[in-house]
Amino acid sequence: AQSVSQHNHHVILSEAASLELGCNYSYGGTVNLFWYVQYPGQHLQLLLKYFSGDPLVKGIKGFEAEFIKSKFSFNLRKPSVQWSDTAEYFCAVNGERAGNMLTFGGGTRLMVKP
Amino acid sequence: SQTIHQWPATLVQPVGSPLSLECTVEGTSNPNLYWYRQAAGRGLQLLFYSIGIDQISSEVPQNLSASRPQDRQFILSSKKLLLSDSGFYLCAWSRAGINTEAFFGQGTRLTVV
Repeated sequence: AQSVSQHNHHVILSEAASLELGCNYSYGGTVNLFWYVQYPGQHLQLLLKYFSGDPLVKGIKGFEAEFIKSKFSFNLRKPSVQWSDTAEYFCAVNGERAGNMLTFGGGTRLMVKP
Repeated sequence: SQTIHQWPATLVQPVGSPLSLECTVEGTSNPNLYWYRQAAGRGLQLLFYSIGIDQISSEVPQNLSASRPQDRQFILSSKKLLLSDSGFYLCAWSRAGINTEAFFGQGTRLTVV
């Protein structure tokens, strides 16, 4: 069965600090990888996605993620966070072998101090 | 464009009462449909997954059931709610096939008292 692990449950940063959120997955076939974000009081929305091609994916609001196949990782990065990035971030994976069932990690709650 | 509707937004129910949460998708056909539960500090737990009418997979044993009476309608039910059923329930859809992302509804905050 596929699974997703997010190593950091809570992260606190000051504005302008750099961000890296870890995500590792367990899956035996071709995967699609996603990062979703949930801002306070809002619904889940897609931040970025990887299907194929360039393993460095650019998303909205200056976020990017790098797919490293050998490490089964898809870490999320942002060079300089803002207070408005305070949210909960979820890594997710699906793949053809699992019928495209979307599996999420446990989430990382990010707080950015102004 | 596609939209997903989930209702009600909030619900307070007594222990032992039945439950019915409804989710509908517009603007697409034959979507994959999902029910998730989001618990504080525990992320998103997949409850049910459906690739078609009457084709539903259950991911965890629980007090809940799901049905898909129509192509774009997904219902989460319980005959008798437990206190532990309290949580935030999210419906989502994705296009059939690979290389698809999921789109989420606004969620239902269920409190069992």
